[in-house]
Amino acid sequence: GAVVSQHPSRVICKSGTSVKIECRSLDFQATTMFWYRQFPKKSLMLMATSNEGSKATYEQGVEKDKFLINHASLTLSTLTVTSAHPEDSSFYICSARVAPWGEQYFGPGTRLTVT
Amino acid sequence: EDQVTQSPEALRLQEGESSSLNCSYTVSGLRGLFWYRQDPGKGPEFLFTLYSAGEEKEKERLKATLTKKESFLHITAPKPEDSATYLCAVQSLEGSARQLTFGSGTQLTVLP
Repeated sequence: GAVVSQHPSRVICKSGTSVKIECRSLDFQATTMFWYRQFPKKSLMLMATSNEGSKATYEQGVEKDKFLINHASLTLSTLTVTSAHPEDSSFYICSARVAPWGEQYFGPGTRLTVT
Repeated sequence: EDQVTQSPEALRLQEGESSSLNCSYTVSGLRGLFWYRQDPGKGPEFLFTLYSAGEEKEKERLKATLTKKESFLHITAPKPEDSATYLCAVQSLEGSARQLTFGSGTQLTVLP
C-alpha cells in the first residue's frame, strides 16, 4: 500500500507557541489530504480537507486561524497549530488520497503535548 | 447525514476463538466501505475496501463482507497480534469532499 509519513511523531511545546506538523505522501501524489484529530479511546475527528494549491475546507467548529493548513505540493501538507494551549494536546493524524475515489492512507500520527 | 455504528465496542477473545465485528451504516449512496486497523499510538492501517452488496475480501485471518445495511469483519482463529482497534468508514457518492465517515471502532483483545 501507499506510504504516508508524518513529522514529528511527538512534540512538546509551551503554551502560546506554535508548532508545525508535516505530512508527506512518499510514493504517490495525493490529490487530497486530510487532517484528523483523535482523543484517547475515541474515533477520528476530521478537522479539514485540503487540495493542492487551494485553501483548505474546515469542518464546523474547527478554527481556521488556529489550525493553519498549507498544501503546497502534491506530496506535502502542513498543519500549524498557532498559539497552542493545553486543550490542543491531542493525537493528530494526516491522510492522503491518490484520486477522488481512491483509497485513503494514513500517516503514523503526531502526539502533541502543550504544557 | 451519513452514520456508522460499530459493535461491540470491545471484544476479548481467546487465541483461536473466531468471531465477527459489525459495522452498520446509513449513507445516501454508498461509494465504498473501508476497514482499517489501528494499533495504539499509530495511524490507521488500510485493510479493505468494499463497494457493493455481496462483495467479500480476505486477508490472512480476516474476511470482510458487505450487505446493503452493514458490513462484517470476520476473524478466523485469531492470534494475539490481531489485537487492535478495528475502524469502519463509509464514503458517500454525494458531496464534493468525498470524505470518510468513521465509526467509533471495536477494540479487539486476543488473549494467548
